[in-house]
Amino acid sequence: DVKVTQSSRYLVKRTGEKVFLECVQDMDHENMFWYRQDPGLGLRLIYFSYDVKMKEKGDIPEGYSVSREKKERFSLILESASTNQTSMYLCASSFRGASNQPQHFGDGTRLSIL
Amino acid sequence: AQSVTQLGSHVSVSEGALVLLRCNYSSSVPPYLFWYVQYPNQGLQLLLKYTTGATLVKGINGFEAEFKKSETSFHLTKPSAHMSDAAEYFCAVIPTGALGAGNKLTFGGGTRVLVKP
Repeated sequence: DVKVTQSSRYLVKRTGEKVFLECVQDMDHENMFWYRQDPGLGLRLIYFSYDVKMKEKGDIPEGYSVSREKKERFSLILESASTNQTSMYLCASSFRGASNQPQHFGDGTRLSIL
Repeated sequence: AQSVTQLGSHVSVSEGALVLLRCNYSSSVPPYLFWYVQYPNQGLQLLLKYTTGATLVKGINGFEAEFKKSETSFHLTKPSAHMSDAAEYFCAVIPTGALGAGNKLTFGGGTRVLVKP
């Protein structure tokens, strides 16, 4: 089975802190994604990466950055956390091939910024 | 831009009753279509997908969905609800013209299903 592992299930940080969310997948997927999930808004794409060291902005990249130094790991960085970044963050991965490949998701990190 | 509409943010069904969750997409060219389920405190799990071929697609846990091009719809059904079906359900699409790099999904807002005993 595909396994996408997010390093923390719950995280509490303070405003202004630099926050790192880590995601690791074990299926040799080329594509990796970071979403945030908010009630009534569904999932919104923050950033994605289709190869090592490659990244592209999603729909809501402001206030975030990402890093992909190894194929299996994709990190989301909140440069200076703010309360409006309190949310559920979901990581996903997929094969790069045809666009009908489904994404596989981790269990999410519920982040609270105080 | 592509959009996905799920009618009803909350649906309540009785155990044993039909589950019907509606999904409509906006593009003129039919996209690839997916339904995901999210159980409490978990990530999303793929229920089923439509890419090509038969328009009635069967998925896990007794769910199925039918692609109707004329209605730009991909509604999800299950004949008989079980308590374990209580979860949030997301419809999502990828444009068929999308290249493999990215495979960016566009999600609907989600429908939370409550199953009453």
